[in-house]
Amino acid sequence: QSVLTQPPSVSGAPGQRITISCTGSYSNIGTHFDVHWYQQLPGTTPKYLISGNSNRPSGVPDRFSGFKSGTSGFLAITGLQPEDEADYYCQCYDVSLSAWLFGGGTKLTVL
Amino acid sequence: QITLKESGPTLVKPTQTLTLTCALSGFSLSTRGAGVGWIRQPPGKALEWLALIFWNDSERYSPSLKRRVTITKDTSKNRVVLSMTNMDPVDTATYYCAHRLGDDDAGGAFDIWGQGAMVTVSS
Repeated sequence: QSVLTQPPSVSGAPGQRITISCTGSYSNIGTHFDVHWYQQLPGTTPKYLISGNSNRPSGVPDRFSGFKSGTSGFLAITGLQPEDEADYYCQCYDVSLSAWLFGGGTKLTVL
Repeated sequence: QITLKESGPTLVKPTQTLTLTCALSGFSLSTRGAGVGWIRQPPGKALEWLALIFWNDSERYSPSLKRRVTITKDTSKNRVVLSMTNMDPVDTATYYCAHRLGDDDAGGAFDIWGQGAMVTVSS
């Protein structure tokens, strides 16, 4: 059971906006450390997607954004596309554990 | 261009020790702020961080696995090695090494990942 909690699944129709939540605590997401997000397409290696609000590596479209509120982080995807169908993982540093934590993952289905 | 590549056995027996090597290219682990971590993923399950080593030889371990895991680096050969003792079938997973993006010894994302090494634990 992950310290960072994500919904097992979310779904949306093409063109819609969806958000994926990542709930932690005051020792991880509630600190100054960023929440990071990864995308894992079926059968592939995880890909670094975004950090914090909008620190995206080159090549990641601005349809993907992140934000944080209290002890929860969120990944938002606007203009949903079929190729966005994947597993998404959040990650954050925990100051009490001195550990890099991953969420349990969320499977996004594009209807 | 930063790349990482894992190598090691694909099959280990229960109670054996697993040793995996991560070959680094495009950066040096002697550069201030550099870090390399190991993450694993059992089939159909979530990612789990195992260990991380920094440019200054500082090591960090997952609290749940720290008794079994050791991470070391060989800067001259630009590689990082993960050892995990007393392997069990539940340790069957794809093991990834990844470059840590950051400039100090805490926090940061894993921005570049190796292709992964699938390890099966079975007698």
